[in-house]
Amino acid sequence: KQEVTQIPAALSVPEGENLVLNCSFTDSAIYNLQWFRQDPGKGLTSLLLIQSSQREQTSGRLNASLDKSSGRSTLYIAASQPGDSATYLCAVRGSNYQLIWGAGTKLIIKP
Amino acid sequence: NAGVTQTPKFRVLKTGQSMTLLCAQDMNHEYMYWYRQDPGMGLRLIHYSVGEGTTAKGEVPDGYNVSRLKKQNFLLGLESAAPSQTSVYFCASSYPTGGPVYSNQPQHFGDGTRLSIL
Repeated sequence: KQEVTQIPAALSVPEGENLVLNCSFTDSAIYNLQWFRQDPGKGLTSLLLIQSSQREQTSGRLNASLDKSSGRSTLYIAASQPGDSATYLCAVRGSNYQLIWGAGTKLIIKP
Repeated sequence: NAGVTQTPKFRVLKTGQSMTLLCAQDMNHEYMYWYRQDPGMGLRLIHYSVGEGTTAKGEVPDGYNVSRLKKQNFLLGLESAAPSQTSVYFCASSYPTGGPVYSNQPQHFGDGTRLSIL
């Protein structure tokens, strides 16, 4: 059974720092891995989707990498801003339509 | 652009009451999903639908029923609410009509329904 883990559960860093969020999964047979952002009281917004054949995806200050063999993904945020404060979730998609989710990392960027 | 709309946004029920959560999407997506999100846990899939008139069980379907009578709507029902069903419920949709079945398309989410069962 696929399990997705995100460590740490919470992270607080000063504005301007570069940071890395981690996501690990137990079964390497995935179709894709997605990173989402969740703001308080809001739904989830898709940030990046990495297909199983890809190693990384970039969008603006965000870069996500995927290493299927080791069951790991990282989300790199460059030059963090207070507006980046949110909970970041990763999810992996296996051979069916279902996504298996991590519990998220709550990120606080201090001005 | 409405995207995915969930109603209601908040609700408090007493144990044993019933209610229906409505999800509507205007993106002509084939697939729709209902999740629940509990503190300290990832989202868990309750039921999903791959097209009008079809539904399937997800990871935690017990105590819930769903219907997809129209392509744009996906209803989640609680027949006899229990305190264990206190949660935040999210609806999502994906895969535009005519797209590959296994296309790598992200899911689009509503803002959630916060449900408390007393």
